[in-house]
Amino acid sequence: GAVVSQHPSRVICKSGTSVKIECRSLDFQATTMFWYRQFPKKSLMLMATSNEGSKATYEQGVEKDKFLINHASLTLSTLTVTSAHPEDSSFYICSARRPPGQREGPQETQYFGPGTRLLVL
Amino acid sequence: GQNIDQPTEMTATEGAIVQINCTYQTSGFNGLFWYQQHAGEAPTFLSYNVLDGLEEKGRFSSFLSRSKGYSYLLLKELQMKDSASYLCAVMDSNYQLIWGAGTKLIIKP
Repeated sequence: GAVVSQHPSRVICKSGTSVKIECRSLDFQATTMFWYRQFPKKSLMLMATSNEGSKATYEQGVEKDKFLINHASLTLSTLTVTSAHPEDSSFYICSARRPPGQREGPQETQYFGPGTRLLVL
Repeated sequence: GQNIDQPTEMTATEGAIVQINCTYQTSGFNGLFWYQQHAGEAPTFLSYNVLDGLEEKGRFSSFLSRSKGYSYLLLKELQMKDSASYLCAVMDSNYQLIWGAGTKLIIKP
């Protein structure tokens, strides 16, 4: 399967600081990446869809000025949590959608990074 | 509204077979995915169904009935490492993934 990395895997920060999370597709070029957050024992919640070279599309209720997304290249998308607060503590997961033409699996499959556990004190 | 239903938790015995059901109501349908998620880890892709019928992949099989809005994931010869949450997700007419809350599968020796 496709490989997606995410860094850092864990981060602890003070309230009011900003945290950047990187998501990289290692073996394919991803024109579309997705950012999710997940609370304990809850399902994935899509935060935004990130398209290379254009502005991200945010889901309803997600503050785009708080969660800055940059998809500067076909292999890298970043999520910056600005002025983090304790309620932003969560498990953040990115995924990348493999472009058409690949043989393995359906085109629309999302491959997930390992996730970043954020704790804001 | 759009809705994905799957049981919250299931328990099965090592070596046995378990079937995890998923029913859905979505605006349009462009395929149904099953993902496995171990505690504290990100989901990993298991299967994709877009046509009716059964797709078999080793110990795991996935079934789809579009007319009934129903799918199941069948796990055979259960192993302890199969203890995980299993997420059902449907791609709607806008190619957005709608996620179920997941089924936590507990395997007992």
